[in-house]
Amino acid sequence: RKEVEQDPGPFNVPEGATVAFNCTYSNSASQSFFWYRQDCRKEPKLLMSVYSSGNEDGRFTAQLNRASQYISLLIRDSKLSDSATYLCVVNKYGAGSYQLTFGKGTKLSVIP
Amino acid sequence: GAVVSQHPSWVICKSGTSVKIECRSLDFQATTMFWYRQFPKQSLMLMATSNEGSKATYEQGVEKDKFLINHASLTLSTLTVTSAHPEDSSFYICSASQGSSQPQHFGDGTRLSIL
Repeated sequence: RKEVEQDPGPFNVPEGATVAFNCTYSNSASQSFFWYRQDCRKEPKLLMSVYSSGNEDGRFTAQLNRASQYISLLIRDSKLSDSATYLCVVNKYGAGSYQLTFGKGTKLSVIP
Repeated sequence: GAVVSQHPSWVICKSGTSVKIECRSLDFQATTMFWYRQFPKQSLMLMATSNEGSKATYEQGVEKDKFLINHASLTLSTLTVTSAHPEDSSFYICSASQGSSQPQHFGDGTRLSIL
């Protein structure tokens, strides 16, 4: 089983739609969790951290369920600029530092 | 703040050439730097973790003699791909953090194409 698994996508949604991404992780020692977005041929950029209590940043809501090792991202009122690949990322301590493990990503295309 | 610069952004060279990629933290001191590789439609894979002044820790399956990492200062790490071959063609990305528990900030990435 892969350390971080995501919906394979791609997701093609109209502007204004609500879209949800799911992610599961296998290592219960994972300590922190993030969603990154990556545009084509660019470096990943941090979108938001994910907390057990759930957190919201504008149109984006992230949830974490440690018991089921499940992470989600909800995007409301999708914009064309939201088109990107969304990466689920978990962080655990190893080799003397925290290490990020990335999922393969889910591609989102928001259509006019 | 927390800007990481990576250079060059694109390299095309012949098989057998060695290629050096630089990663600089511009406005903070990076005690730890990370090097990742991403093949098309694949996830970022950690290659190695380097702490300033120490030898890098390589992930399983990454040849340390082929991918030479130097982290001689708190603002600069370099990755040298020695005797590069077409299978080394990939997107190489560095990240830097101010400490083991601090967030990682990513460079722009280097697209390496070996002919």
